[in-house]
Amino acid sequence: KNQVEQSPQSLIILEGKNCTLQCNYTVSPFSNLRWYKQDTGRGPVSLTIMTFSENTKSNGRYTATLDADTKQSSLHITASQLSDSASYICVVSGIEGNNRLAFGKGNQVVVIP
Amino acid sequence: SAVISQKPSRDICQRGTSLTIQCQVDSQVTMMFWYRQQPGQSLTLIATANQGSEATYESGFVIDKFPISRPNLTFSTLTVSNMSPEDSSIYLCSAGQGNYEQYFGPGTRLTVT
Repeated sequence: KNQVEQSPQSLIILEGKNCTLQCNYTVSPFSNLRWYKQDTGRGPVSLTIMTFSENTKSNGRYTATLDADTKQSSLHITASQLSDSASYICVVSGIEGNNRLAFGKGNQVVVIP
Repeated sequence: SAVISQKPSRDICQRGTSLTIQCQVDSQVTMMFWYRQQPGQSLTLIATANQGSEATYESGFVIDKFPISRPNLTFSTLTVSNMSPEDSSIYLCSAGQGNYEQYFGPGTRLTVT
């Protein structure tokens, strides 16, 4: 069973609307949680990184939240743009760090005009 | 931050042949990794490329199939040997410092016919 589960698998949203992506994880002990954006044909690019003590972090129109008690995270996209069409990958790091990352399958977002 | 480039960006190869993928980082990094990303799936770690010594392979990946070199702190290669159609995938190089940020290359899209 995958240690990181993301939902919804895919969604279509209208340009200008908001959306929220969910990530549940079972990795323990936990070090940090990252959200990456992966455009088609490109490598993942980091959006946010949160440690145990952080419960929210923003990067422009992207806001990530973390509840380490329930092992849940969300990524909120505000006022979506066509360029937000991408896969958003939740990645959880345990104490082994970059040597042992757990990757979600990604949320595929399509923004339509 | 670190900028990672990969060559080739894509290739179509015949069954039974081998392909070597190059990964170049624009700064010295402690860790370099190779991942495989199949459609609709999570990123899967193939191995950690160790500078000056043999790579550390994950379960299910072996050196004979995926030989890796890392002659210095900024460069690594991954060879996909004796390819079969099941090796068709995106191969990603990544680099990291410490337990937080990890940067990904643009990926190499491999198709085996």
